[in-house]
Amino acid sequence: EVQLLESGGGLEQPGGSLRLSCAASGFTFGNYAMSWVRQAPGRGLEWVSTISAIGGATYYADSVKGRFTISRDNSKNTLYLQMNSLRAEDTAVYYCAKCSSTSSPYYSDSWGQGTLVTVSS
Amino acid sequence: EIVMTQSPATLSVSPGERATLSCRASQSVSSNLAWYQQKPGQAPRLLIYGASTRAAGLPARFSGSGSGTEFTLTISSLQSEDFAVYYCQQYNSWPPKWTFGQGTKVEIK
Repeated sequence: EVQLLESGGGLEQPGGSLRLSCAASGFTFGNYAMSWVRQAPGRGLEWVSTISAIGGATYYADSVKGRFTISRDNSKNTLYLQMNSLRAEDTAVYYCAKCSSTSSPYYSDSWGQGTLVTVSS
Repeated sequence: EIVMTQSPATLSVSPGERATLSCRASQSVSSNLAWYQQKPGQAPRLLIYGASTRAAGLPARFSGSGSGTEFTLTISSLQSEDFAVYYCQQYNSWPPKWTFGQGTKVEIK
C-alpha cells in the first residue's frame, strides 16, 4: 500500500523559510516522478512543483518559481520542498503526490494527508 | 496556461439520483484528464484518469467521458459516501504544469 507522510509545516513569518518533507513507502520511490500540490483554506487545488524520478528535472508553478526548490533523496525515499521568501498567499495545506509514471503525461495516483503551512506575522 | 472550468459550482442531489458534473478545458488536453474526490479534512482521491478509466477499486457507478475540451463525470446512483467536492485536472501540458478546475460540490438535496 502506498503511503506518503508529510511533515515540516507550521507557522512562519513573511519572508521566512520552511522545509517540507514527504516520507514515501509501499512502492519503488525512485521509479516515479513526484509532485507537491497545495490548497489554501477553503480554496481549490493548485499544483506547485514536480520532480522527475531521478531528480534531474524540476518544474515549478509561476507563483513559486525562484522561491521554492523541490528535491528528492531516493536512498531515503523522501521528497522535499524548500520554501524561501514565504508570503501570506503561500498559506495552505501542502500535499505530497505520487505521479502515475516516470514519464509524462502523468497524473497523481496517490496523495499524502498534507501538512499545513501558515505564513503570518 | 490551460484553464479548467467546472460546472456547476454546487450540485444538489438526492441519494439514489444521478449526478452529472462537467469540466471544460480552454484548449485541447486530448484524454489527459483526471477526476478527484475530496471530502472535508481529507486528501484528494483519484477516481478517473485518461478521461474514462476508473481507478482501482472504484465502484462502477462512477464513469468518465469526453476528450479534447469537454469532459463529464457521472455518478449513476448517488450513495451517502459520494457527497464531496470533485475536481478535474488536466495533465496534458508540457513541461508538466497541472491545472485543476475550481471544483464542484455535490451536496445532499
